[in-house]
Amino acid sequence: DTGVSQDPRHKITKRGQNVTFRCDPISEHNRLYWYRQTLGQGPEFLTYFQNEAQLEKSRLLSDRFSAERPKGSFSTLEIQRTEQGDSAMYLCASSHVSDYSNQPQHFGDGTRLSIL
Amino acid sequence: AQKITQTQPGMFVQEKEAVTLDCTYDTSDQSYGLFWYKQPSSGEMIFLIYQGSYDEQNATEGRYSLNFQKARKSANLVISASQLGDSAMYFCAMREQSGGYQKVTFGIGTKLQVIP
Repeated sequence: DTGVSQDPRHKITKRGQNVTFRCDPISEHNRLYWYRQTLGQGPEFLTYFQNEAQLEKSRLLSDRFSAERPKGSFSTLEIQRTEQGDSAMYLCASSHVSDYSNQPQHFGDGTRLSIL
Repeated sequence: AQKITQTQPGMFVQEKEAVTLDCTYDTSDQSYGLFWYKQPSSGEMIFLIYQGSYDEQNATEGRYSLNFQKARKSANLVISASQLGDSAMYFCAMREQSGGYQKVTFGIGTKLQVIP
């Protein structure tokens, strides 16, 4: 069990550029979640997948955001035409679905995005 | 109404003493789960303890226990015998099941500082 892995750890980019983050969940976990966390706040839910299906998206996920999990394993989160307000920590988490009620989400270390 | 309310922005506790971090929640679901996570300054989210809405016993995990009062909709975290390494942000979270989909909501957190 190598834990949830996120890449990159840090991303600095200019406003208007596109960025893509990757998340590799714990291998036997079939649920994968994306969150955004800004300074002084708790994580805010963005979206989640069960296997390759994207089951729910938050209203926070504007048209500039897209997430995929094509083979039900790793996931990518892309932000197009980045804006200053996108600066945040993007967290990925995974869990096992067989007994959702008591399986915690295991988080990665996050990708910190800074928009110049 | 806020789904998860953590009213203590910051708490101090003397090393080796116990401390209670407050969390109240709001849901109309009958089946839900409550979690506590720890986030050190390094940024990773560490799962601490879980309480299911149907669990009659309060959850315990080592030095962590969850004081679950369902009628009051509170799920306070108790840390016994505080250690310097307990200094961190602590987040309460709730997972609801609605229409076949999950919703996970985090509070804004409580910053705990353990004093030697």
